[in-house]
Amino acid sequence: ETGVTQSPTHLIKTRGQQVTLRCSSQSGHNTVSWYQQALGQGPQFIFQYYREEENGRGNFPPRFSGLQFPNYSSELNVNALELDDSALYLCASSTGQGGNTEAFFGQGTRLTVV
Amino acid sequence: AQTVTQSQPEMSVQEAETVTLSCTYDTSESDYYLFWYKQPPSRQMILVIRQEAYKQQNATENRFSVNFQKAAKSFSLKISDSQLGDAAMYFCAYRSGGAGSYQLTFGKGTKLSVIP
Repeated sequence: ETGVTQSPTHLIKTRGQQVTLRCSSQSGHNTVSWYQQALGQGPQFIFQYYREEENGRGNFPPRFSGLQFPNYSSELNVNALELDDSALYLCASSTGQGGNTEAFFGQGTRLTVV
Repeated sequence: AQTVTQSQPEMSVQEAETVTLSCTYDTSESDYYLFWYKQPPSRQMILVIRQEAYKQQNATENRFSVNFQKAAKSFSLKISDSQLGDAAMYFCAYRSGGAGSYQLTFGKGTKLSVIP
């Protein structure tokens, strides 16, 4: 059991709305990454937070934003939702920033945009 | 940019038999790490095995082993004595070994079915 929890598990939103997804990282982990997994695809890196600052970003528009809190939990915010934003959003936490560091994943939030 | 390719969308194996999942990647870096993740219907990605590029020895974790061919940029996963619980999506992933490296680059996955 990894200890990374995400909420909510499922969510339905209307195009144009805004959504906030939450992630509670595993105890002792100071790094959180977010991934988008479209149906039938592998996860795509959105961004990473290390000690409350964004320190890496994938090819996603600015309407995807995030926060990391002092307790290292994190939020992913998506504004102006589009139909293509429908996907599984995965959060992963780790004790470091890369290399051989193991990333522990949560069970994801399934977002449906209608 | 690095890319990861999994050419087998679906595979099946008889229980107790052996199956090999393929993965190739493209990179110009010499320092990197490779991973195999399992994603069961519960959706949670679980690390199966990892390989450091600078290590020539293939990684092994119980029934799971890899065949790492650095020159060919190939990283296949062998599952021995397949069990029903091995049925899942399997993703190959790449991570740069450079300072500040963080993102995992995933392939599209292979769906493994285990036949009783």
